[in-house]
Amino acid sequence: EAQVTQNPRYLITVTGKKLTVTCSQNMNHEYMSWYRQDPGLGLRQIYYSMNVEVTDKGDVPEGYKVSRKEKRNFPLILESPSPNQTSLYFCASSPLRALGQPQHFGDGTRLSIL
Amino acid sequence: QKEVEQNSGPLSVPEGAIASLNCTYSDRGSQSFFWYRQYSGKSPELIMFIYSNGDKEDGRFTAQLNKASQYVSLLIRDSQPSDSATYLCAVTGGGISGAGSYQLTFGKGTKLSVIP
Repeated sequence: EAQVTQNPRYLITVTGKKLTVTCSQNMNHEYMSWYRQDPGLGLRQIYYSMNVEVTDKGDVPEGYKVSRKEKRNFPLILESPSPNQTSLYFCASSPLRALGQPQHFGDGTRLSIL
Repeated sequence: QKEVEQNSGPLSVPEGAIASLNCTYSDRGSQSFFWYRQYSGKSPELIMFIYSNGDKEDGRFTAQLNKASQYVSLLIRDSQPSDSATYLCAVTGGGISGAGSYQLTFGKGTKLSVIP
């Protein structure tokens, strides 16, 4: 089954404790992206990657890191989480074509930073 | 800064009616347009995508695009209570290639309520 898998689904942690949210897709998609969703603000892009070892900032990259060492994986790293990073996070992927393609979303990760 | 605007709603329609959801975008060079449905606490689910001016129909859903007016809409015919959700309009940037044509900018969504 074609899917984007995120882990963990839920996490409560404390300020300053490094954490990683994993994202894996089995569709051989080149493009992967991370979004956060907050009430009243909608979905905002954090980072994206157009292929292995190619990453770039989205609209709200501060406080986050990513890496793309393999095509299928695109982890999101919070080196020193703060309460303002409490949010619902989604990973998404799509193939690269001449025109933008629909993105497939993971089930989401709800992070609470105390 | 690319912007995508949607009426936040809530939009309430009776069961069986047509629901009309609207979206405007600021980047005149935008190429691809998507409608996602999102139930509370769930991930966005693709409903429709459209690239060319005009209408595109898929079952009870019709997407309409007018690039000159920078306007895209979604019509839902024979609305059902199960259609009650938040509908997200998303737009990719201009350019046939390069990062801009893949970056999705989302509107904040319109909450639709279908009343039985």
